[in-house]
Amino acid sequence: DSGVTQTPKHLITATGQRVTLRCSPRSGDLSVYWYQQSLDQGLQFLIQYYNGEERAKGNILERFSAQQFPDLHSELNLSSLELGDSALYFCASSVASSVTGDTEAFFGQGTRLTVV
Amino acid sequence: LAKTTQPISMDSYEGQEVNITCSHNNIATNDYITWYQQFPSQGPRFIIQGYKTKVTNEVASLFIPADRKSSTLSLPRVSLSDTAVYYCLVGDRYTGGFKTIFGAGTRLFVKA
Repeated sequence: DSGVTQTPKHLITATGQRVTLRCSPRSGDLSVYWYQQSLDQGLQFLIQYYNGEERAKGNILERFSAQQFPDLHSELNLSSLELGDSALYFCASSVASSVTGDTEAFFGQGTRLTVV
Repeated sequence: LAKTTQPISMDSYEGQEVNITCSHNNIATNDYITWYQQFPSQGPRFIIQGYKTKVTNEVASLFIPADRKSSTLSLPRVSLSDTAVYYCLVGDRYTGGFKTIFGAGTRLFVKA
């Protein structure tokens, strides 16, 4: 158990809908990262938050947004869903937003989103 | 942005030592090298991290030459349960923070 909790584990929704994925980081971790992994693909970095503020942005679509709340949990909002958005969405957390790249990240078990 | 290159796949047999090499020619002075392991439908799991020379823990060793342009993850005596995708990452310095960029990874298949 990594200590990172993601809910829900599975989500099935229709095209055009909006969903919210939730992530609770490990106790004490200030950074939260979101990743998308499509079938048999690598992990695509979406966005990072550090202590409530957006810190880095990756290949995140405009239809997607995220935020980190004062209690440090984070939500990833996906709207106007398309079939191609079906994927595993992982959240990770780490202690700090290190500029030296020496911080280990802990991953949750992911949310499997299926858009039908 | 430091980029990594690693073999797409490797096969091995139980009990053998497996070495996976990653090249990172543009590694920056303060970047660390980190390896993660991922099983199907699970989140990646940290294996080992290093800056230079050799690092060893209970599951793997990491060899980093003096120029740091490559690194080798060594898994001693692999078992069937080591079948997974292995990612090599280099810490990315980014104004205001850092992001962890995963490449395609190396798919290791261990046979009986």
